[in-house]
Amino acid sequence: AQRVTQPEKLLSVFKGAPVELKCNYSYSGSPELFWYVQYSRQRLQLLLRHISRESIKGFTADLNKGETSFHLKKPFAQEEDSAMYYCALSHRSGAGSYQLTFGKGTKLSVIP
Amino acid sequence: GAGVSQSPSNKVTEKGKDVELRCDPISGHTALYWYRQSLGQGLEFLIYFQGNSAPDKSGLPSDRFSAERTGGSVSTLTIQRTQQEDSAVYLCASSPWGGGAYEQYFGPGTRLTVT
Repeated sequence: AQRVTQPEKLLSVFKGAPVELKCNYSYSGSPELFWYVQYSRQRLQLLLRHISRESIKGFTADLNKGETSFHLKKPFAQEEDSAMYYCALSHRSGAGSYQLTFGKGTKLSVIP
Repeated sequence: GAGVSQSPSNKVTEKGKDVELRCDPISGHTALYWYRQSLGQGLEFLIYFQGNSAPDKSGLPSDRFSAERTGGSVSTLTIQRTQQEDSAVYLCASSPWGGGAYEQYFGPGTRLTVT
């Protein structure tokens, strides 16, 4: 069965320091991975997806199939990056539909 | 344009009562999803609708949970005989299509508290 693991519930970093939010997955098929973010009092929204190989708000994530990881990185944290971050894996369910399986999330706190 | 909307934003109900939660997806989106977000548990998939196809109910935790989608648009999630463990934030999301690489657009959620 598919699984997404985010080992850190809470991550605190100082402003300007590098950030790495860890995500590991298990899935027998070809993975499609996403990072979603939820800022305080806002709805959950897509941050980036691995298929686009894009950089959003300075964040990047590289899919490492050997290590089954999709860690989210940013070289210099900003206070506005403080939020809840969820890693998600898209996969086909037994019924044939695509579903997202989410990790439990990591709360990032950037200290001024 | 308007995003996904959900109502009510908060619902407090007594154990044993039935509740209905509503979701209005983005116009034109054919895929609609319901998730449950419990404290410390992340998001749990509940049910998926794609156009007029039969829904994927594989995530519903018990037969007390049901959902329907009328006219390929608005969806209602019904929880019968609510229990305290049903307390959570229920999120709805829609997507232009049900393919794996498509972004899901989330609503603000309904916070359900069962007393």
